Amino acid sequence: EIVMTQSPATLSVSPGERATLSCTASQSISSDLAWYQQKPGQTPRLLIYGASTRATGIPARFSGSGSGTEFTLTIISLQSEDFAVYYCQHYKNWPPMYTFGQGTKLEIK
Amino acid sequence: QVQLQESGTGLVKPSQTLSLTCTVSGGSLISGGHYWGWIRQHPGKGLEWVGYIYYSGGTYYNPSLKSRVTISLDTSKNQFSLNLSSVTAADTAVYYCARSNVWGNYRVFDYWGQGTLVTVSS
Repeated sequence: EIVMTQSPATLSVSPGERATLSCTASQSISSDLAWYQQKPGQTPRLLIYGASTRATGIPARFSGSGSGTEFTLTIISLQSEDFAVYYCQHYKNWPPMYTFGQGTKLEIK
Repeated sequence: QVQLQESGTGLVKPSQTLSLTCTVSGGSLISGGHYWGWIRQHPGKGLEWVGYIYYSGGTYYNPSLKSRVTISLDTSKNQFSLNLSSVTAADTAVYYCARSNVWGNYRVFDYWGQGTLVTVSS
């Protein structure tokens, strides 16, 4: 079973600054990683897929990187609407399994 | 624009069966390549995949829930449903239905329902 571990659990950053969120897989998953944003009371929104490709309509200040076991989501010039919880997710083809990280809460410093 | 909407009982007694339905609009359940899934989120916690079904009716479930989960399809109503049997308080969560699609070569959830809170309590 692949385990996805996110760090830190909570990240405090000032508006306008850069945030760096990490996701580590317990074994190599190549680039099969997605990132989602979830605001309070809202559904998760797809941000990044294939570790580094922005989904449709996602601002360029969001970027993803990494492969294998170590992945990073970077948000530059943080806007007020970016403060939310971020999840990484991996899909294993066989046997089929979606695995989410436990989330990183990005809060205003 | 694809839209998903969950419906079902919000309060279930322990040992009974949780039943939810997801109605899909703006798209067909039998479109190839899409999987239709359920994800749950325990209060204040992260996301947990429950299972999915695809257009032919094939299903896959999270191994941790497999013995209690059934997902089914009603193509005439463009709906899919979740049954979770023998529930306990640990099954209290917000349940989301979502569409899984392939973006590039990667399978992700691109459309989500608003979620519905199911509480297990006597």
